[in-house]
Amino acid sequence: DAGVIQSPRHEVTEMGQEVTLRCKPISGHNSLFWYRQTMMRGLELLIYFNNNVPIDDSGMPEDRFSAKMPNASFSTLKIQPSEPRDSAVYFCASSSPRDYEQYFGPGTRLTVT
Amino acid sequence: AQSVTQLDSQVPVFEEAPVELRCNYSSSVSVYLFWYVQYPNQGLQLLLKYLSGSTLVKGINGFEAEFNKSQTSFHLRKPSVHISDTAEYFCALILAQKLVFGQGTRLTINP
Repeated sequence: DAGVIQSPRHEVTEMGQEVTLRCKPISGHNSLFWYRQTMMRGLELLIYFNNNVPIDDSGMPEDRFSAKMPNASFSTLKIQPSEPRDSAVYFCASSSPRDYEQYFGPGTRLTVT
Repeated sequence: AQSVTQLDSQVPVFEEAPVELRCNYSSSVSVYLFWYVQYPNQGLQLLLKYLSGSTLVKGINGFEAEFNKSQTSFHLRKPSVHISDTAEYFCALILAQKLVFGQGTRLTINP
């Protein structure tokens, strides 16, 4: 299996622009998680899905952030409009119904100038 | 509230020396505990996990951890480190499917 796939790996954008991050979970996994990592706040869970349904979005910082999972093999995290404080590494992870282990993607490093 | 505390933000050791990375947790219910490793510019990779059973858990790359319920600890150990172990290490517990991470410990290996 190719593992969790994220794109793009790096994104540089200007403040006010829309940013879309993409994730393809491991085939057969039914749970998908979006995390954000910063020096100041460490690793934070933003939102997670079970069977394509959002279960807990309490970590989404504000209305500028939205996430979708239209099918079992694809999810997006959108920031509109982006701000410099959104600069971080965003990770996607997935897990199977038989295991508590979460498998992480390589991350997307977002820089908002 | 459930939480994880990693007591050391940085741990420098010499190559081939033993290392212990400390982790304490707070939970009012039974816990499942994890150690993840993050190499530079990469995602997180599972080192080991404790779900139940033996309190001594062996993981990949020669690492092991011991679950100690009375001390609410889950310290990570390796008897002899290598340069390739340079990375950030995260302790975590799982709460209703959500991983709650500690702040991480940066392990640096000096030759």
